Amino acid sequence: GNSVTQMEGPVTLSEEAFLTINCTYTATGYPSLFWYVQYPGEGLQLLLKATKADDKGSNKGFEATYRKETTSFHLEKGSVQVSDSAVYFCALSTLYSSASKIIFGSGTRLSIRP
Amino acid sequence: DAGVTQSPTHLIKTRGQQVTLRCSPKSGHDTVSWYQQALGQGPQFIFQYYEEEERQRGNFPDRFSGHQFPNYSSELNVNALLLGDSALYLCASSLGSSNSPLHFGNGTRLTVT
Repeated sequence: GNSVTQMEGPVTLSEEAFLTINCTYTATGYPSLFWYVQYPGEGLQLLLKATKADDKGSNKGFEATYRKETTSFHLEKGSVQVSDSAVYFCALSTLYSSASKIIFGSGTRLSIRP
Repeated sequence: DAGVTQSPTHLIKTRGQQVTLRCSPKSGHDTVSWYQQALGQGPQFIFQYYEEEERQRGNFPDRFSGHQFPNYSSELNVNALLLGDSALYLCASSLGSSNSPLHFGNGTRLTVT
């Protein structure tokens, strides 16, 4: 079945450090891939997405590239800020389900030290 | 522009009881999906409502049921509560069956004792 595996947390970094959160997926067909973020006390928000192979999603300095050959969608940011502290979820949806039926990974908690 | 609103924010129930959670979608959205997020886990899809009908369902027992009203708002009902039903329940809205992104509410924290 379809699934998402992401790097276990928590991840703790100093401000301005480089961030990578690994994500790999298993899916039938050609999934759309997402990163969602959950800030403390807030609901899930879509951070970025990519809908086909080699697409790069980007937002707020974060980037992720859809790699079909390695079935990966790693999240990166060149210089993190304290305000990036949150839980990050890698996720996918497929044409065989619907855009609403999203399969999430278990989340990676990120903490940034000033 | 109001986003997705859920009520109540917190709820405590006893094993065996029934609970109803409510969701109002973002203005302009007509599709509502419900997710269960256990502590330390990612959200899991429960079901989706569109045009007042359940369109898709995840791997949840029949104790979980729902409803969508003509104004697109939705309810999630859980019968015969179990301790394992304790979780954050998230409502998400979107527009039709397109690939429009989901907008999530802040959730209802349900504790079953």
